Amino acid sequence: KAGVTQTPRYLIKTRGQQVTLSCSPISGHRSVSWYQQTPGQGLQFLFEYFSETQRNKGNFPGRFSGRQFSNSRSEMNVSTLELGDSALYLCASSMGDSGNTIYFGEGSWLTVV
Amino acid sequence: GQNIDQPTEMTATEGAIVQINCTYQTSGFNGLFWYQQHAGEAPTFLSYNVLDGLEEKGRFSSFLSRSKGYSYLLLKELQMKDSASYLCAVRARSNYQLIWGAGTKLIIKP
Repeated sequence: KAGVTQTPRYLIKTRGQQVTLSCSPISGHRSVSWYQQTPGQGLQFLFEYFSETQRNKGNFPGRFSGRQFSNSRSEMNVSTLELGDSALYLCASSMGDSGNTIYFGEGSWLTVV
Repeated sequence: GQNIDQPTEMTATEGAIVQINCTYQTSGFNGLFWYQQHAGEAPTFLSYNVLDGLEEKGRFSSFLSRSKGYSYLLLKELQMKDSASYLCAVRARSNYQLIWGAGTKLIIKP
């Protein structure tokens, strides 16, 4: 059974550009969550999608957006990139119920220069 | 408000036992998770507690007291590969959102 797949793994962008990150959840999982993690920091929750609807949202500016498709794959977009957006972006999937374990992808390393 | 507290860093000796504590204050409770994260890697699942008591899984055990808003992760027979950050997370509300602690960096010395 394939795990959570994130693409691209590494990318470098320039300030002001926009970026789209992709996440394919484990087959059968309907919930996809996105997190930002900067070096030495904990996980900062961005948003969660469940059955194509945003179920939860963290405290990030509107430059950060996401969506989920009917096959549960998800994308997140960051517009007008800032240097502070440089981070590891992690996607996690689960069945979506309270006791379900979430499984993380290997993440996308974004560097903004 | 919602808050999860963990020590920032702990040091232990190879072969010893270490206990990492996690206290939480959340609106509602639907389970507590522990994850391990090695530097530069994604977090991996260690344990899940929803009822009070101790859950044992090999060298790792996790304890929960819902009345005290308290959990701990116990690691026995420490190995160098256990050097990592350990993250505590609580599923707080009926909307299933996970609230994460900042993580505890565990350093194992020979």
